[in-house]
Formats: sequence, C-alpha cells, structure tokens
Amino acid sequence: DQQVKQNSPSLSVQEGRISILNCDYTNSMFDYFLWYKKYPAEGPTFLISISSIKDKNEDGRFTVFLNKSAKHLSLHIVPSQPGDSAVYFCAASASSGNTGKLIFGQGTTLQVKP
Amino acid sequence: DAGVIQSPRHEVTEMGQEVTLRCKPISGHNSLFWYRQTMMRGLELLIYFNNNVPIDDSGMPEDRFSAKMPNASFSTLKIQPSEPRDSAVYFCASSGGTYSETQYFGPGTRLLVL
Repeated sequence: DQQVKQNSPSLSVQEGRISILNCDYTNSMFDYFLWYKKYPAEGPTFLISISSIKDKNEDGRFTVFLNKSAKHLSLHIVPSQPGDSAVYFCAASASSGNTGKLIFGQGTTLQVKP
Repeated sequence: DAGVIQSPRHEVTEMGQEVTLRCKPISGHNSLFWYRQTMMRGLELLIYFNNNVPIDDSGMPEDRFSAKMPNASFSTLKIQPSEPRDSAVYFCASSGGTYSETQYFGPGTRLLVL
C-alpha cells in the first residue's frame, strides 16, 4: 500500500528548460509535504516543503505546487541546470506541528543534459 | 555545524555475523529516524525515536533488527544475525528545532552481507 507515489522513475530535460517532477498521495490526513534531492553515495538533502494550508511555495529556482483536491504535488525547477541531475524524492507527513514520520515516494531520477 | 554523522560508511560482513550501525544526530534535534534504502522497496522507515524513546518500530523487518538510543547524541541499529537480504544502504536522520518536521539525513552506511 504505497501512500506516496512518484509514477515517473526518470525524467530527462535540456539545460535551461523547465523540469517538472510529480507526486501523488492517497492519505487525506497528510498535511505537510517535502522534496528531497539525493546524489549518489550521499544522503537525501532537504530541498523545499509546503504546508497543506498553502498551494504554492517558491525558493529560488524551485517551486512546489500542491493541489489538495487532486492529492497531487509537483516540483518545478526553472531553469534546469546540469547540477540538478539527481534522484528526487517527495515525502509526506500526517503530523503537522509535531515531529512525526515521513512517507517517501520511490523517487524520480532527473537528468539535465547540457 | 556538523550534520548527522554515521559510521561506518561501508560494512562488508559474512552471513550470521552481528552488524552494528551508529548514528550521531544533529545537536539539539529531538527526533531520530533509521531508514533502509533498497532497489526493490525504496526508502523505508525502520524505526524512529522522540526524546530518546522509540515511538514507532513497525518498520523493523524482524526480530533480528534492534535499535537503541541511550542518549540524545547517539543511536545504534543492530542486526544479529545478518543475512544477505539485509544488504542495503541504511540512513539515519534527525529533526527538531525551528523546522521540526524537516529531517536531515546522514551520508548512510552501505552494508553488504555475503
């Protein structure tokens, strides 16, 4: 029973273009969502997050959109750079305001071609 | 500011041997998480602690796995006896402080059981 799904295992984008990574969830109790980036042989690093009271959060080149009715979130990277090539995980939590466990998606491998 | 520290970074052992993985969380964080990453199952939560107390160990695969957190700055994950199917990358993460729901990951321990 996968509560957080990233249906695209991989994505290839040209440098300078937009990268859009998608994530779907099934649990309506989730109220906090995060994106992590992972390079080979390193641990996941936090990228950006969004609370369920918002529908958009922006940080530089990275923007996360949340569509609660569709139980869908996406990460936009504009413009994409070769250094963005990594595995991206979305994660969700049902413990707003508390330190609880995160449920991770399977990850999407992004390749940004020069 | 030191991040989450894990040791060893790599471990190769023979089936049946005891394996102990170590983690030092970020100072001031009050929650600690152990994850396992495999190709088949992705990133899965094994157990997490809040204020040194185990809160949820439902992800621990079986009795061969045990975890302890004797104090706020140290945790261990032990596998006894180890089996080849335990081969994976094990991550430790901690959270707490200002952004309490954001987990910060260590570099991981790559375990190979022969």
